[in-house]
Amino acid sequence: AQSVAQPEDQVNVAEGNPLTVKCTYSVSGNPYLFWYVQYPNRGLQFLLKYITGDNLVKGSYGFEAEFNKSQTSFHLKKPSALVSDSALYFCAVRHNTDKLIFGTGTRLQVFP
Amino acid sequence: GAGVSQSPSNKVTEKGKDVELRCDPISGHTALYWYRQSLGQGLEFLIYFQGNSAPDKSGLPSDRFSAERTGGSVSTLTIQRTQQEDSAVYLCASSPRTGMGYEQYFGPGTRLTVT
Repeated sequence: AQSVAQPEDQVNVAEGNPLTVKCTYSVSGNPYLFWYVQYPNRGLQFLLKYITGDNLVKGSYGFEAEFNKSQTSFHLKKPSALVSDSALYFCAVRHNTDKLIFGTGTRLQVFP
Repeated sequence: GAGVSQSPSNKVTEKGKDVELRCDPISGHTALYWYRQSLGQGLEFLIYFQGNSAPDKSGLPSDRFSAERTGGSVSTLTIQRTQQEDSAVYLCASSPRTGMGYEQYFGPGTRLTVT
């Protein structure tokens, strides 16, 4: 069965510092991987996706993610965090299905 | 352009009543998805439509839940005889078509509270 794990419930980082939000996945073949962000009282917004090709994927708002097949990971990164990046981040996977399987979410808190 | 819209934004209902939640996808999107977000269960898939047909209903938690889509556009999620455990935020998403490479665009959700 497909699954996604986000091992950290919350990540705290100071503004201007680099941030990483971790995601690992479990599928039997090649995954399609996505990151979404949810701001308070809002729906999910698409950030970026990995389908195939370059392992480093760039997305919205300066975020990027690196696909690592050997470690089955797809960590979200940003070189310099902003207070406005504070939100709930979800990793999701698709494999042989149209539905998204989501992780439990990681709350990112960026302190000024 | 207009995004995915959902109505109502909030719904409070008494246990045992039926509720209908509406989703208007992005114009031209043929694929439509329903998810549920709750504190205990995270984000769960419920059902998806390709056009008016529903190839995957595997996430519907019980036969009290049903959904339909007419004209390949608007979708309605119906919950009959609501229970307190149905309280959650119901999210709708649409995509240009089905296919694993397409991202889904989400609406703001309907917050359902069953008292």
